[in-house]
Amino acid sequence: NAGVTQTPKFRILKIGQSMTLQCTQDMNHNYMYWYRQDPGMGLKLIYYSVGAGITDKGEVPNGYNVSRSTTEDFPLRLELAAPSQTSVYFCASSLGTGRNTEAFFGQGTRLTVV
Amino acid sequence: GDSVTQMEGPVTLSEEAFLTINCTYTATGYPSLFWYVQYPGEGLQLLLKATKADDKGSNKGFEATYRKETTSFHLEKGSVQVSDSAVYFCALFSGGYNKLIFGAGTRLAVHP
Repeated sequence: NAGVTQTPKFRILKIGQSMTLQCTQDMNHNYMYWYRQDPGMGLKLIYYSVGAGITDKGEVPNGYNVSRSTTEDFPLRLELAAPSQTSVYFCASSLGTGRNTEAFFGQGTRLTVV
Repeated sequence: GDSVTQMEGPVTLSEEAFLTINCTYTATGYPSLFWYVQYPGEGLQLLLKATKADDKGSNKGFEATYRKETTSFHLEKGSVQVSDSAVYFCALFSGGYNKLIFGAGTRLAVHP
């Protein structure tokens, strides 16, 4: 019962470095999301996807990129890391159809940019 | 656009106290409403949901009723336990925007 799997769990980056946060789900969900959660704050949507080949911006997309080449995978790319991107990142997925939409979350990636 | 507003925390209660966490929403159409819970060091997990007006979602002693007339989905529990200490998020699924929208979260601390 893997569900949504995120890697890595922790990462420290230097300013200007790049990295990719991996997210994969095995539930054949169409919808996938990337959120960031800053200390003491709620979740802010970075990007989302309604299916393979389709992505769209959320509330805070600047400094990030995504791709969705398969139903299972939805990686998040940071090109030039900045201290403002220090956060906990959550990937989620849902069927996204009908009124019983339920999102399943990964365990999160704690990223620190120094 | 669609949005969710939650009462600010933290909420601090003694064990066996009554809990209410307020949540109101703004949305076009008829969204589905959810409460998610985040225990320390973990990701979010669904606590309960309601998909239409007057529906009551319930789980683990928690309840919330979808009130369309007041656009609210308040979370309640009659007797909290220390193990309920967590952050609680109210959320809606916006069919118009095809995405989940979360409130800011309310931290609950229950002490013995």
